[in-house]
Amino acid sequence: AQTVTQSQPEMSVQEAETVTLSCTYDTSESDYYLFWYKQPPSRQMILVIRQEAYKQQNATENRFSVNFQKAAKSFSLKISDSQLGDAAMYFCALTLTNTGNQFYFGTGTSLTVIP
Amino acid sequence: KAGVTQTPRYLIKTRGQQVTLSCSPISGHRSVSWYQQTPGQGLQFLFEYFSETQRNKGNFPGRFSGRQFSNSRSEMNVSTLELGDSALYLCASSFQGGGWNSPLHFGNGTRLTVT
Repeated sequence: AQTVTQSQPEMSVQEAETVTLSCTYDTSESDYYLFWYKQPPSRQMILVIRQEAYKQQNATENRFSVNFQKAAKSFSLKISDSQLGDAAMYFCALTLTNTGNQFYFGTGTSLTVIP
Repeated sequence: KAGVTQTPRYLIKTRGQQVTLSCSPISGHRSVSWYQQTPGQGLQFLFEYFSETQRNKGNFPGRFSGRQFSNSRSEMNVSTLELGDSALYLCASSFQGGGWNSPLHFGNGTRLTVT
């Protein structure tokens, strides 16, 4: 069975500062992918960044980057130069390569950006 | 290109009734998956359809069912509604049905309230 754990229900950050959201996961599979999704108040989930488990290099998308520690099964998201538009619920998710679109999501971290 | 469209946005039903939710994927996408989102359980995978066939199913009772039509549109049905079925139901589509190489695109969800 796969599980994804986000231990920070709520986080806050000052505008222009950096914040890190934590995520740990558990799977016995060796072939999997990890994702961070963002859900603003509009409710639509938006892909932020993804990481292939076989790649050691951490993924980066503009102000968003991850710290992927495969041995520790940790996948944290760093948001640099935080903006008001970053305020949202952030979900960490895992999918296996042999289960189609079955994603396993964490319970989410609510990020507040303070002006 | 139009995004994933879910209708209706809000539904209020009485316990014991049944309900049908609709999802129109992005044009050209063949995979449609459904998730239930609640504050306590987070996002949980219901099922996935790919080319009109159910490919994966989550751990939900048989009261939850779905189908996909030849134009890739999908419907989800919940029979004999229970209070615990109150949730946001999210639909997501992707081109190839493998979330690792074909990102999920989510709709805005249908908020179901069971009284």
